[in-house]
Amino acid sequence: NAGVTQTPKFRILKIGQSMTLQCAQDMNHNYMYWYRQDPGMGLKLIYYSVGAGITDKGEVPNGYNVSRSTTEDFPLRLELAAPSQTSVYFCASSYDRGVYGYTFGSGTRLTVV
Amino acid sequence: DAKTTQPPSMDCAEGRAANLPCNHSTISGNEYVYWYRQIHSQGPQYIIHGLKNNETNEMASLIITEDRKSSTLILPHATLRDTAVYYCIVRPGNNAGNMLTFGGGTRLMVKP
Repeated sequence: NAGVTQTPKFRILKIGQSMTLQCAQDMNHNYMYWYRQDPGMGLKLIYYSVGAGITDKGEVPNGYNVSRSTTEDFPLRLELAAPSQTSVYFCASSYDRGVYGYTFGSGTRLTVV
Repeated sequence: DAKTTQPPSMDCAEGRAANLPCNHSTISGNEYVYWYRQIHSQGPQYIIHGLKNNETNEMASLIITEDRKSSTLILPHATLRDTAVYYCIVRPGNNAGNMLTFGGGTRLMVKP
C-alpha cells in the first residue's frame, strides 16, 4: 500500500515550457486534491476532484489544468510555465469528504527559470 | 469556514508535553477542529480531529473548550521528530466546499 505517489520529486522548467505533475493513489479514495505551497506559507488549493470525470477549481487555479479519467490518477498540467509557479506541489486524497483526514503525497518541488 | 489563530512558534523540551493552542472564536456548530502537521519538506500529516468532545489517539490528544472557541493539541512526550509546523483547521463535517484551508500554523521546535 503505497498511499499517494507523486512524480517527479524535483523539476526545473524554463519559462514557457509545459509539464504534467503525476499523482496516483492506491487507497480507492474518490476525492483527490492539488495544493501548492510557496516558501514559508501555508498550502493553497489549486484543483480538486470528487470522483472520476469530475473536477473543480480551488483557490488558485489560474495557469493549471487537471483531469480525472480514473479513480487512481489525478495529473496536474502546467501550460506556459511562469516564475510565479515556482513552488512545492502536493497531491492529496481522501475517502469521501475527508472527515477522517487527507493523505498527502511527498510533493514535487518545481522551479521555473 | 471559520478562521483560526495560532502562535507562530513555540519551543518544547524533549520528553515534556507540548501544548499547542488554537483560537477559533467564530466556529460554527457543524464545524470540526482538525490538526495536521508538516515535517520539513514533507507533505502534511493528519493528526486528530474533534467536534466538541476531547479526543485521543496514538499520536496526540485534542482538548476543546466547552464553548468550542479554542482548542489545544497535546503531544504528551515530545520527541525531536515532533519538530514540525502544526496547523489547526476548522471545517464543516459535511464540507460542502470539499477543501482544507491551511493558515500559517505554529512552528514547534523540540529541543534536547
